[in-house]
Parts: sequence; structure tokens; C-alpha cells
Amino acid sequence: DAKTTQPPSMDCAEGRAANLPCNHSTISGNEYVYWYRQIHSQGPQYIIHGLKNNETNEMASLIITEDRKSSTLILPHATLRDTAVYYCIVRVAWETSGSRLTFGEGTQLTVNP
Amino acid sequence: DTGVSQNPRHKITKRGQNVTFRCDPISEHNRLYWYRQTLGQGPEFLTYFQNEAQLEKSRLLSDRFSAERPKGSFSTLEIQRTEQGDSAMYLCASSPPTDTQYFGPGTRLTVL
Repeated sequence: DAKTTQPPSMDCAEGRAANLPCNHSTISGNEYVYWYRQIHSQGPQYIIHGLKNNETNEMASLIITEDRKSSTLILPHATLRDTAVYYCIVRVAWETSGSRLTFGEGTQLTVNP
Repeated sequence: DTGVSQNPRHKITKRGQNVTFRCDPISEHNRLYWYRQTLGQGPEFLTYFQNEAQLEKSRLLSDRFSAERPKGSFSTLEIQRTEQGDSAMYLCASSPPTDTQYFGPGTRLTVL
């Protein structure tokens, strides 16, 4: 699976949009971009994933550049409960084996009142 | 609640003791994964089941670790002769064939 690079930490004001970047310059054509987050002492929570088109769900939006070498997770109106470590992961989906998620160190997002 | 459940949530044991953790996946998810997470690090893959078959094991899974998934439903992870270095959060995840993994709350192990 391709390696990802994320900033170690970011701050955001409550109510503002949080934009979390991720670089994955070695991504392959059959690899998806997944985002998870982990609130302190809880299990990781799935947020969203995409291949090449932008995606949106009730939690967030995922913007993937045309060359697929980077992406941005957008939390449109951050709340204090969005304070967490956010992980960007690239992996081949629907493999019959080797379906592990490889987590990096992620980005610690702190939402400030 | 139809999410992944793990028991116990916390376990404190003395070095040298055996411990067993249980994971109940989301109903009808045929894939089940175990990960380990130490303080300040992201989760690390341990092993993966598709139905009852254990298809992949990480080198992190030493011979003191064993995982089972009888009948392709719940899974257990056993650690024999625990060491202080085994202290970590043990996470279980399950997925349907489309393979988006959903995690449980984890079992935090402390080895004294």
C-alpha cells in the first residue's frame, strides 16, 4: 500500500471548516483513499473513502486531486467533538487477501472554542 | 447496538499470566481483523480472518499469540505468558466483502 504524509497537528476554530491534507504521491490506480479518525481511548471510526471522484457523506467531504497524489478531508462545521487523530490511508479495496489497514501517525486535530 | 463489540474493555494482569479477549463482529460481516495499538502510535495489523479461515498473520503475532474464529462468527485473541511489552490497546474490526472496516472500542491490556 502507498505511503501517506500528513501534518502532525492542526487547529481549527469551532464552527469553522477543518481542512485536513494528505499526500499520497505513490498511489496506484487501484488504490482507494480512506479516512478514519480516533477520539482519545476509542476505536478508530470510519469517515469516508474515495477512488478519484470527490465524495460527500453526512460526516465529511473528500476532495481528491485530479492526479490523485493528494487529498483533503473537509469537516464543514467543526465542533469540539471532532477533536481527534485523523488518519489518511491508501489501500487496494476488495482484495481477497492482504486487506490490512496501514496506519501512519495521523494528524491531531484540535477544535478550539 | 449493532456495532463491533469487544470484551473485556479493560484487563489488568500480572506478567506471565494468560489472557483472552473476545470480539463480536457486525452481523454477517465475513471478514474480521485484529490490530494492536501502543501509546502514541497508530494501530498495527496483527491478523485477518475471512469466515473461519485465518488468511494472514503479521510478524508482530509471536508464537505466544493465537487467534481463532470458530464457525466464522466471534473471534478470540489469546496471549500466553504475558510480558510488559504486551501492554497495549487490542482492536478488532470487521468488514463485509466491500471491505470497509468498522472498529470496536478495543480492549486495553495492562501487564504489571
